[in-house]
Amino acid sequence: KQEVTQIPAALSVPEGENLVLNCSFTDSAIYNLQWFRQDPGKGLTSLLLIQSSQREQTSGRLNASLDKSSGRSTLYIAASQPGDSATYLCAVGNNAGNMLTFGGGTRLMVKP
Amino acid sequence: EAQVTQNPRYLITVTGKKLTVTCSQNMNHEYMSWYRQDPGLGLRQIYYSMNVEVTDKGDVPEGYKVSRKEKRNFPLILESPSPNQTSLYFCASSSSLPGQDTPYEQYFGPGTRLTVT
Repeated sequence: KQEVTQIPAALSVPEGENLVLNCSFTDSAIYNLQWFRQDPGKGLTSLLLIQSSQREQTSGRLNASLDKSSGRSTLYIAASQPGDSATYLCAVGNNAGNMLTFGGGTRLMVKP
Repeated sequence: EAQVTQNPRYLITVTGKKLTVTCSQNMNHEYMSWYRQDPGLGLRQIYYSMNVEVTDKGDVPEGYKVSRKEKRNFPLILESPSPNQTSLYFCASSSSLPGQDTPYEQYFGPGTRLTVT
């Protein structure tokens, strides 16, 4: 059974810092990996999706990488801002396309 | 606007009183799914549907039912709610066909916060 782990569980950084969030998964037979943002009490907003054949995806200040063989993904946030404060969730899609397995999330706080 | 909608957004009910949470998407997606989110347990899949009249269990299906009579709608039914079903529920949808949007990129609804007393 796929297991997804996110480290650290919480992170506090000063504004302007570059930071990396980590996601690891146990079964490398994945279809894709998706990073989401969740604000308190709100829904999930998709940030980036990486197909299993891809190595990375970029959107603005965000860059996500995928190393399927080692079961790892990272989300890089450049020049962090207080508005980036949220919980970031990593989710792995299985090959059948019928299930996302989520990590526990990293709660990020960016201090002004 | 492409979106997944859920209703109601907030619901307080009593044990045993049947309820339905509706989910609708306007993106013509084949795949729809329900998740629940609980502190310390994260997001877990309840049921999913690959297309009309095709549904299957996820990780935590006990106490829930679903139906998929139309492509756009995927209601979640709690026949006899219990306090351990108090949770934040999310509906999601995605296209499962290559060439249509990004296959399996999931879009989530705003969530339904359910409290069962």
